[in-house]
Amino acid sequence: AQSVTQLGSHVSVSEGALVLLRCNYSSSVPPYLFWYVQYPNQGLQLLLKYTSAATLVKGINGFEAEFKKSETSFHLTKPSAHMSDAAEYFCAVRTGYALNFGKGTSLLVTP
Amino acid sequence: NAGVTQTPKFQVLKTGQSMTLQCAQDMNHEYMSWYRQDPGMGLRLIHYSVGAGITDQGEVPNGYNVSRSTTEDFPLRLLSAAPSQTSVYFCASSYSLGEPEQYFGPGTRLTVT
Repeated sequence: AQSVTQLGSHVSVSEGALVLLRCNYSSSVPPYLFWYVQYPNQGLQLLLKYTSAATLVKGINGFEAEFKKSETSFHLTKPSAHMSDAAEYFCAVRTGYALNFGKGTSLLVTP
Repeated sequence: NAGVTQTPKFQVLKTGQSMTLQCAQDMNHEYMSWYRQDPGMGLRLIHYSVGAGITDQGEVPNGYNVSRSTTEDFPLRLLSAAPSQTSVYFCASSYSLGEPEQYFGPGTRLTVT
């Protein structure tokens, strides 16, 4: 079964600093990979998705992720953190009809 | 389009009570699913449906029942609520298996006492 592992359940960055949230996948076939964001007490919003086209995927709110097959990684980055980026971030891989989610990374942005 | 809608937003049940969480989508999506979200666990698949009249179990199906009589609706039934079912429940849909993206509803926060 395809799965993802998110490294770090909590990440803290200063406002204006680089955001790096790590996700590694396990898949025997080219995967569909996703990053979702969840703001407090809200549902999930799609940030970006990889569907085997370009390896560098740009999403909303200035986020991007790079698919690296050699490292089985799909890390999420943003050059400059904003206070409004504080949220829970989930990496997910499409497996059959469903999504397998990582356990999530909570991003804290400090002034 | 309203997208994926869920009702209620919040619910408190006593152990042993039953209830139905409603999910509807107006995008003519074939595929619908239910997830539960628990702290530190991410989201886990409960049940899914690939079309009207077709449902199947996901990772954590015990204690839940589903049916899909129409394309639009996919209710989740708790037959006899237990405290372990305290969670946030999300419904999702996608056009088909070939469409990788899933669209999520706003969630239902359920507490079982």
